[in-house]
Amino acid sequence: EVQLVQSGAEVKKPGESLKISCKGSGYSFTSYWIGWVRQMPGKGLEWVGLIYPRDSDTRYSPSFQGQVTISADKSVSTAYLQWSSLKASDIAMYYCARQGGGLDAFDIWGQGTMVTVSS
Amino acid sequence: DIQMTQSPSSLSASVGDRVTITCRASQSISSYLNWYQQKPGKAPNLLISAASSLQSGVPSRFSGSASGTDFTLTISSLQPEDFATYYCQQSYTTPYSFGQGTKLEI
Repeated sequence: EVQLVQSGAEVKKPGESLKISCKGSGYSFTSYWIGWVRQMPGKGLEWVGLIYPRDSDTRYSPSFQGQVTISADKSVSTAYLQWSSLKASDIAMYYCARQGGGLDAFDIWGQGTMVTVSS
Repeated sequence: DIQMTQSPSSLSASVGDRVTITCRASQSISSYLNWYQQKPGKAPNLLISAASSLQSGVPSRFSGSASGTDFTLTISSLQPEDFATYYCQQSYTTPYSFGQGTKLEI
């Protein structure tokens, strides 16, 4: 079964660092781009960025450039989204998704990782 | 960046109704338009890619069409399980922006 499994919910303090993960299985992890999508509470979907695990080519939305870092470790079929200093405005559900549908649609999604930032 | 404008933002309908949701791109995106369904507490699910290509397993009451920079998602006969939020997304050029969503309610 093709699936993406994300790491569990996180509760952090402002200023702390965080790295969440997304592990792919059931397909060739290095053959598909992996994207990250943010959904703030009660709000819509926002495209964060993409990574191609084979060579770690990465693209960011200007809104997130410099705010987060996307990486991947192809040896463990896992993509990551990380923050060096969390803010309250980072509170959201973060989804990873495989770009494997026709014309680069996200065809497989992870279950989401909820990030809470609170002092 | 390409802006995606969805309308309406919310829609009340009944089981059996025919429903249309529209998405307009701020510039040409060819057929690089995808539709997703999201139910509360769940990850989005791909319904249609490339403007009109139905994903495997998605009921045939869902269809997509395109006319220039205007794209339409149609549900021919609403079923109880279709009440959800729907998003369009362009995958023509990064950042691959989403529309703001359409909440379909009873």
